[in-house]
Amino acid sequence: EIVLTQSPGTLSLSPGERATLSCRASQSVSSSYLAWYQQKPGQAPRVLIYGASSRATGIPDRFSGSGSGTDFTLTISRLEPEDFAVYYCQQLRTFGQGTKVEIK
Amino acid sequence: EVQLVESGGGLVQPGRSLRLSCAASGFTFRDYAMNWVRQVPGKGLEWVSAITWNGGSVGYADSVMGRFTVSRDNAKSSLYLQMNSLRPEDTALYYCAREISFGSAWHLDSWGQGTLVTVSS
Repeated sequence: EIVLTQSPGTLSLSPGERATLSCRASQSVSSSYLAWYQQKPGQAPRVLIYGASSRATGIPDRFSGSGSGTDFTLTISRLEPEDFAVYYCQQLRTFGQGTKVEIK
Repeated sequence: EVQLVESGGGLVQPGRSLRLSCAASGFTFRDYAMNWVRQVPGKGLEWVSAITWNGGSVGYADSVMGRFTVSRDNAKSSLYLQMNSLRPEDTALYYCAREISFGSAWHLDSWGQGTLVTVSS
């Protein structure tokens, strides 16, 4: 069973700063099945990135994904006020525990 | 516009059953695999179950295997989750989600707003 570990648990940053979120798999996984989601309070998750690096429809280009094997990264180049939320990685039937990006 | 609307949640006693439904619209339902994902309020996401486009293959998380059954009715554009022998730890918001699975594009691209299941005596 694959386990996805996200770090850090919480990221405290200011608007305009760069956010780097990590997702580490317990064993090598296919990049094709690695996705990132954003969830805001009271809302359903929204897909940001699929296939480790492809942006979903309508997602701003400040969001980017990278990685392969066991290590994957979601980068938000310049945080906008609406980006403060919880982010999850997913590999097929497994989710990471989430990283909360909060305003510093 | 893709819409997924869950229903059927509520308060139920431990050991009892509940059936969730997800009504789909705005797309050709029979063309897509579908998933159920749950979330304890304030906690993370947990994948629960998935079903292929024709119902020919299903999958379950270990935590619900043998108690939950996923099904679909393509004629009614509806997804179901039959939950038996419910436990307090099944208390969560249950989302249905559409699966995109072609090439290197696997992901859950559309989600409903969820239906809350509370298991308590």
